[in-house]
Formats: sequence, C-alpha cells, structure tokens
Amino acid sequence: QSALAQPASVSGSPGQSITISCSGTSSDVGGYDHVSWYQHHPDKAPKLIIYDVRSRPSGVSNRFSGSKSGNTASLTISGLQAEDEADYYCFSYTSSYTYVFGSGTKVTVL
Amino acid sequence: QVHLVESGGGVVQPGRSLRLSCAASGFTFSDNPIHWVRQAPGKGLEWMAVISSNGRNADYADSVKGRFTISRDNSKNTAYLQMNSLRGDDTAVYYCAREGFYSSNSWGFFDYWGQGTLVTVSS
Repeated sequence: QSALAQPASVSGSPGQSITISCSGTSSDVGGYDHVSWYQHHPDKAPKLIIYDVRSRPSGVSNRFSGSKSGNTASLTISGLQAEDEADYYCFSYTSSYTYVFGSGTKVTVL
Repeated sequence: QVHLVESGGGVVQPGRSLRLSCAASGFTFSDNPIHWVRQAPGKGLEWMAVISSNGRNADYADSVKGRFTISRDNSKNTAYLQMNSLRGDDTAVYYCAREGFYSSNSWGFFDYWGQGTLVTVSS
C-alpha cells in the first residue's frame, strides 16, 4: 500500500493555472473512478474538492477540476488565488478493498 | 448540520493501548461508512481503516492491521478506534471521516471530517 505519487510542490502566480498529478497503478487509480481530492490547510480539517474523478461538491469553486488518464489522475486549479495555498492530496479505492492517499503536494502562490 | 467530533487522544507510553471515539450528529449515522485517517507530524495523510454502515465489515491499512480495531455503535452514533501495541510512529493527529455516497457508483470519498485528536506515543 504505497502512497500514490504526487509532486512534492507546485507553484504559480495569481491568475495562473496549475496541475497536480497523482500516479498510481491499475489496482487503484487506473482501475476505479473512486478518486477524490482534498485541500488541507494547516490545523484545519481536510476539505473535499473533487470526488468520482471529476465531480465537484456543492460550494466548491469551479476553478477546481479533476480528470484521469490511465493510471494517473490530475487536479487543475485555474485562476490561482492566494487562498488556494495549501496541501493537496489525492485518494483512491484499491483492489484490496482498502484505500490509499497520495503523498501530498504543497501549492504555493507566488 | 453534520458534525464529527473525535476524542480520546493524549500521551501514551509505547506498547500501551488507547481508544479513540468519533461522535457524530446531524445525519443518520447508520447510513454511512466511517473511516479513520491520520497525519503524523510533518507527514501526509494516511488512510487507516473503514467500517461499513452496519458495522459488519471492516478493512485496514497494512500498517495497523492486527494492532488497531475499528468499530461502531449505531445506537450511540459513535465510531471507535481501538489502538493496541502503540509505537512511536503512531504519533499523529487522528481524524474520523464520513464516507459519502451519492449513488451505487458514487462512493469512497470523505464529505465530512472531524477536527482531529492528537495521539502522542512517548515514554
């Protein structure tokens, strides 16, 4: 149950778009559409921003979008804002009836 | 509205046990699976365990299988995590989270989280 691979950090200027990748295998990300993404600010509870690969919960900005190709899922943040500075984690169901998080990506707004 | 409140954290010596609780309100507790997730200092989120809505099925991460037990009491709207044989690397903030589901094909994500409870394993 190794963590899904994410870049340790991604940065961008306000207004720009950034994409965070989440690489797994055919036993997790590639095998199921039960992939979700979470935004985590320090000392706060994580927040769901994408579920079922590309669906957005009510109240989450449409600047956040998700996709998947093969064994890699992606989160794109468009129109980057200062408030988007946080840690981001992908999460997937696995063929072992368990779940696994990504290693996490720190997003910095320059 | 939905609330999840963890309790039971604290400082515990290596090898000892601790039981965490997750008290739920604002929804029909018996409708949703509950998960436990932890975050060690300076590390990422780690999924640990899930229990089905009726409490009959549970699954665990390899890192805690055989040491930790997840359970729930739907009459008390509370889930639990029994942690035995604790080690230093179990030091973390422990979160409980509600698994959302919108259809038979839409599940396996966390729509609500608690604020977490800190467990420190130290002599």
